[in-house]
Amino acid sequence: GEDVEQSLFLSVREGDSSVINCTYTDSSSTYLYWYKQEPGAGLQLLTYIFSNMDMKQDQRLTVLLNKKDKHLSLRIADTQTGDSAIYFCAETLMIYNQGGKLIFGQGTELSVKP
Amino acid sequence: DTEVTQTPKHLVMGMTNKKSLKCEQHMGHRAMYWYKQKAKKPPELMFVYSYEKLSINESVPSRFSPECPNSSLLNLHLHALQPEDSALYLCASSPRGTGGADTQYFGPGTRLTVL
Repeated sequence: GEDVEQSLFLSVREGDSSVINCTYTDSSSTYLYWYKQEPGAGLQLLTYIFSNMDMKQDQRLTVLLNKKDKHLSLRIADTQTGDSAIYFCAETLMIYNQGGKLIFGQGTELSVKP
Repeated sequence: DTEVTQTPKHLVMGMTNKKSLKCEQHMGHRAMYWYKQKAKKPPELMFVYSYEKLSINESVPSRFSPECPNSSLLNLHLHALQPEDSALYLCASSPRGTGGADTQYFGPGTRLTVL
């Protein structure tokens, strides 16, 4: 079945780059997403990439997509303490006549140490 | 206006109470969603409304009853809940409904505690 996998924890020093990795199984996914969730808050859409792209850059964020290996990564440059949060990778599963359903990974908890 | 709002922010209820969660968006989105999220876990889809009609029910117990009065509003009516229903309830909306893959925007959530 459809599955999205992420490592559970990542710890970095302030100012370093963070790389959060994700693997997915549904090769028909049209969009792949990264959401950020701070403690006690909802999910914030960080960025997304269309499946026919290899890379997308948005300020400090770089998303890389390797379709052959079904591997997605999120790089955060110059990581700050405010980037500490849980990051969820998600793919879209299309259900006939019902639309798209998000399949989430387990989330990677990023801890940024001063 | 580019946000999804949810009220209340926190709710504590007993197992015999009846309460409702409310979600609102004014982005003209045609699909709205309810998710349940336990601490440090990914959100679990409960219901999807597309063009104000229920399109997906993920086998949610009948003590949760969704309602979509109009295209901007989504309610979740709660009755006879169990302590294990305590969680963060998230609402989301997306522009296109069931037409295809669609980006979902989430609200801040309602933290529900069932005593």
